[in-house]
Amino acid sequence: DGGITQSPKYLFRKEGQNVTLSCEQNLNHDAMYWYRQDPGQGLRLIYYSQIVNDFQKGDIAEGYSVSREKKESFPLTVTSAQKNPTAFYLCASSYGGSSGNTIYFGEGSWLTVV
Amino acid sequence: AQSVTQPDIHITVSEGASLELRCNYSYGATPYLFWYVQSPGQGLQLLLKYFSGDTLVQGIKGFEAEFKRSQSSFNLRKPSVHWSDAAEYFCAVGPLGQAGTALIFGKGTTLSVSS
Repeated sequence: DGGITQSPKYLFRKEGQNVTLSCEQNLNHDAMYWYRQDPGQGLRLIYYSQIVNDFQKGDIAEGYSVSREKKESFPLTVTSAQKNPTAFYLCASSYGGSSGNTIYFGEGSWLTVV
Repeated sequence: AQSVTQPDIHITVSEGASLELRCNYSYGATPYLFWYVQSPGQGLQLLLKYFSGDTLVQGIKGFEAEFKRSQSSFNLRKPSVHWSDAAEYFCAVGPLGQAGTALIFGKGTTLSVSS
């Protein structure tokens, strides 16, 4: 079945460590996105990518990094520079980069700093 | 600045009662409009979207929404709520025909359904 797969579902990180969240899609979508969700805050955009080898910062990119070496994959690294990384992370994708296209979401990854 | 406001943080309705969730947006141009639903710990599922044309849009699970340009609103409605509708609902907007952008989401409205 086509869809967006995020892994792991649950991740625990010690302070000072970098962690990478995986996002893979087999929908042949051009654009991919990472959002962060905190209780009562809605979804905030971290990074997005319209095409391979290109990506743009969103509203809260500090402390995060991404790569887009393949169309299907858009991993997110949460670095030690991110001061408050505990959150629910959602990966999404869409045809094209225009927000007129529907964005489809993965099931999310929970990151907890211990 | 572009923004989306969902004025109600939490709403409780009785099963079988009607529902309306409010969404207001601030945008410089005609936007695309979306409603998504999220069950706890899950991703978001698209309920419906408005791009152009008829301002009353039908979606999945019996939901509908009406775009009112004069009020900058895109309220979500359902005539009879089921217990399974309890979830968090997000309104989102995006610019018309502008490549290289992503949706802007409201902060969400949590719906509880009482029996």
